[in-house]
Amino acid sequence: DIQMTQSPSSLSASLGDRVTITCRASQSISNYLNWYQQKPGKAPNLLIYAASSLQTGVPSRFSGSGSGTDFTLTISGLQPEDFATYYCQQSSSTPLTFGGGTKVEIK
Amino acid sequence: QLQLQESGPGLVKPSETLSLSCTVSGGSISSSNYCWGWIRQPPGKGLEWLATICNSGGTYYNPSLKSRVTISVDTSKSQFSLKLSSVIAADTAVYYCARSRYDSGNYGYYGLDVWGQGTTVTVSS
Repeated sequence: DIQMTQSPSSLSASLGDRVTITCRASQSISNYLNWYQQKPGKAPNLLIYAASSLQTGVPSRFSGSGSGTDFTLTISGLQPEDFATYYCQQSSSTPLTFGGGTKVEIK
Repeated sequence: QLQLQESGPGLVKPSETLSLSCTVSGGSISSSNYCWGWIRQPPGKGLEWLATICNSGGTYYNPSLKSRVTISVDTSKSQFSLKLSSVIAADTAVYYCARSRYDSGNYGYYGLDVWGQGTTVTVSS
């Protein structure tokens, strides 16, 4: 199985901050990397697919980059509705695997 | 727009079989380039993918669940289902159904783009 490691596991940030979350795969996955946002009690919501493509309806302050084993999710200008947990997920091979999550909290 | 809704028992006894269904509305479950899957989340923990079935004919399972999981589609009911046998306490989780797109031999490149709201399953005697 491909292991996905996210860092940090949690962070505190203020409104308007630029936030970067890192995801590392245990082997190369090209750009088969997706990012999700999950709020308490809700299902995950797809933000970014194929490492850098913005899902329809997702605000442009979210962006993704990376290829191979190292990926980042950036939130440019943190908004109140962005406080949530973020997960990366690889789709390069079965089984699909998720990172452990990064919880973004209010400073 | 497309909506997914999970249904199933909230409580299952250890060693029994858990059966869950996901009803698809607002679109066709039979669209040739789509796949349907299950993901779960134990209380306070992260996400675990369980299985996916594609309208192209492919079925994919998480090896960690060995032979306990079966996924199927019933197009007449616009539903797809998950069966998990010999459940144990560690199978207690919120179970989500989700859609993905099939393209060039891959069923996850475009992400899991539509999710159900989730259904809580507790394994306890």
